[in-house]
Amino acid sequence: GESVGLHLPTLSVQEGDNSIINCAYSNSASDYFIWYKQESGKGPQFIIDIRSNMDKRQGQRVTVLLNKTVKHLSLQIAATQPGDSAVYFCAEKDNAGNMLTFGGGTRLMVKP
Amino acid sequence: DTAVSQTPKYLVTQMGNDKSIKCEQNLGHDTMYWYKQDSKKFLKIMFSYNNKELIINETVPNRFSPKSPDKAHLNLHINSLELGDSAVYFCASSQALREKLFFGSGTQLSVL
Repeated sequence: GESVGLHLPTLSVQEGDNSIINCAYSNSASDYFIWYKQESGKGPQFIIDIRSNMDKRQGQRVTVLLNKTVKHLSLQIAATQPGDSAVYFCAEKDNAGNMLTFGGGTRLMVKP
Repeated sequence: DTAVSQTPKYLVTQMGNDKSIKCEQNLGHDTMYWYKQDSKKFLKIMFSYNNKELIINETVPNRFSPKSPDKAHLNLHINSLELGDSAVYFCASSQALREKLFFGSGTQLSVL
């Protein structure tokens, strides 16, 4: 079947560096993508979203890039801080579906 | 004020018991969901209700029964609990079916 994302790998970065978290999706009908952050013991928290008519969207310290040609989504975090340590999920919805399908998540660890 | 609140936070119970998890949202959203997160952090949708009407019912054992008394509440009742039901259960809500989700803080269910 079609799937989103990756199994739970870990990305370790130094405080102050930029982080890039990647996500691959396989459903070409997906037209809406979201990045979520989940801190330990909490529920996923919305970070940023992007629709398929866009290639890039920026928020505060975060940027999401969408490459529909290769079905790839990335989350860039500038000047990573200890508070950014969490598990990050990409999620997608297709243009007909009602479900938000989540990828497997990436654990980001920020070293002081 | 908590936007999406679910209780209890922790639930420890014996196999074969029946238990309920409650969820309430004060965001005025039309759609509510239940997600299950396994030990590998994988998030999978279980149910979705829109205006108290069931619209998504993924492959979930019929021991799981959602109930939506009104638009702001979606409770999850589980009969005859099994070891494999141990997971973190998240309630979520969204303004519409295809919009971003707001999650509760989760209920960690441990079946002994």
